[in-house]
Amino acid sequence: QKEVEQDPGPLSVPEGAIVSLNCTYSNSAFQYFMWYRQYSRKGPELLMYTYSSGNKEDGRFTAQVDKSSKYISLFIRDSQPSDSATYLCAIGTNYGQNFVFGPGTRLSVLP
Amino acid sequence: EAQVTQNPRYLITVTGKKLTVTCSQNMNHEYMSWYRQDPGLGLRQIYYSMNVEVTDKGDVPEGYKVSRKEKRNFPLILESPSPNQTSLYFCASQRGVYNEQFFGPGTRLTVL
Repeated sequence: QKEVEQDPGPLSVPEGAIVSLNCTYSNSAFQYFMWYRQYSRKGPELLMYTYSSGNKEDGRFTAQVDKSSKYISLFIRDSQPSDSATYLCAIGTNYGQNFVFGPGTRLSVLP
Repeated sequence: EAQVTQNPRYLITVTGKKLTVTCSQNMNHEYMSWYRQDPGLGLRQIYYSMNVEVTDKGDVPEGYKVSRKEKRNFPLILESPSPNQTSLYFCASQRGVYNEQFFGPGTRLTVL
């Protein structure tokens, strides 16, 4: 079993839809959870960073962490064509410097 | 502008010909990393550095070398590239171990 699993998609939604992106992980030592967005031909950029169970909101984006289920989600409200990108989850422990990345989910928001 | 730069952005080479991919950051960050990104496998860490002259292996270090002689630079060296090192490479830097990573624009390497 991979340490971090993520549905690779592609996922296509109409503009304005609510998007749900998910990752599961196997190691209960993971304590830090990040979501990165990667546009085509660009490096990843950080969207959300959380280290506790529950929800964290930033504008149209909400990150949700359920440590008991080892499951994290990113919700995008009122999705826009500019949200079309690959979304990567990254998970880390509270020791060491090694964050494990999921393979990414490719999202297309159609106008 | 705060940024991580990589050069070259694209490189086609042949098996066995030594190459270096440069990485530089202007944010005075302590930590720097190299990743490779392959379809279906995501980003995998090759090497990381916690400070000048301090480096350690990541998940996939075989066939790669790094050095950190200055804080701002972290070159990736392939002494004898092979076709299985064909990939998209990213350099990243961060202020501290639990801080956001800033990624460079990527280097697409093809080894024939």
